[in-house]
Amino acid sequence: KQEVTQIPAALSVPEGENLVLNCSFTDSAIYNLQWFRQDPGKGLTSLLLIQSSQREQTSGRLNASLDKSSGRSTLYIAASQPGDSATYLCAVGFYNQGGKLIFGQGTELSVKP
Amino acid sequence: ETGVTQSPTHLIKTRGQQVTLRCSSQSGHNTVSWYQQALGQGPQFIFQYYREEENGRGNFPPRFSGLQFPNYSSELNVNALELDDSALYLCASSHRGDGNYGYTFGSGTRLTVV
Repeated sequence: KQEVTQIPAALSVPEGENLVLNCSFTDSAIYNLQWFRQDPGKGLTSLLLIQSSQREQTSGRLNASLDKSSGRSTLYIAASQPGDSATYLCAVGFYNQGGKLIFGQGTELSVKP
Repeated sequence: ETGVTQSPTHLIKTRGQQVTLRCSSQSGHNTVSWYQQALGQGPQFIFQYYREEENGRGNFPPRFSGLQFPNYSSELNVNALELDDSALYLCASSHRGDGNYGYTFGSGTRLTVV
């Protein structure tokens, strides 16, 4: 069974810290991995998309890496701000799943001023 | 370029009733997927539509059904509502075949079954 796991489930940091969110998956046959942000009660905002042939993607203060062989991805957030407080979800597209995304349960991030 | 829009934003239904949720895909996207997100959980795949045909289904019973229209908009229908159907329903669109395959999500419909 293909599964996606995110650790930790919740994280609280002071403003200004650099932080790393983790995502692991059980099958290396992926075509891409996408990181999303979700504010309470809202939809998903795409942050970064990494294709299976790529090692990392960057957008502003965000950097996502992908290591298929170890089944891991990390989302690095530099110089965190209170506005970064949200739930961060990792979603994996596996080759034999016909376009279906499998999500982790998310990491709830709180950045304290 | 418009994003994915969903309607309604909130809905309250009684157990046993039927509900229809609507989604307009992002301009240029021809694939629509539906997800159910229970409180505190990651979204779960319900099904996907491509060229008006169901193209993949998750572990949901047949009372969850859908349609995709020629303009690529979509509906999710749920019959015989149960209390456990209370959740945030998310629609996502994608341009299949462009090599990107990233998904754009809407803001969701919050369904409460009482």
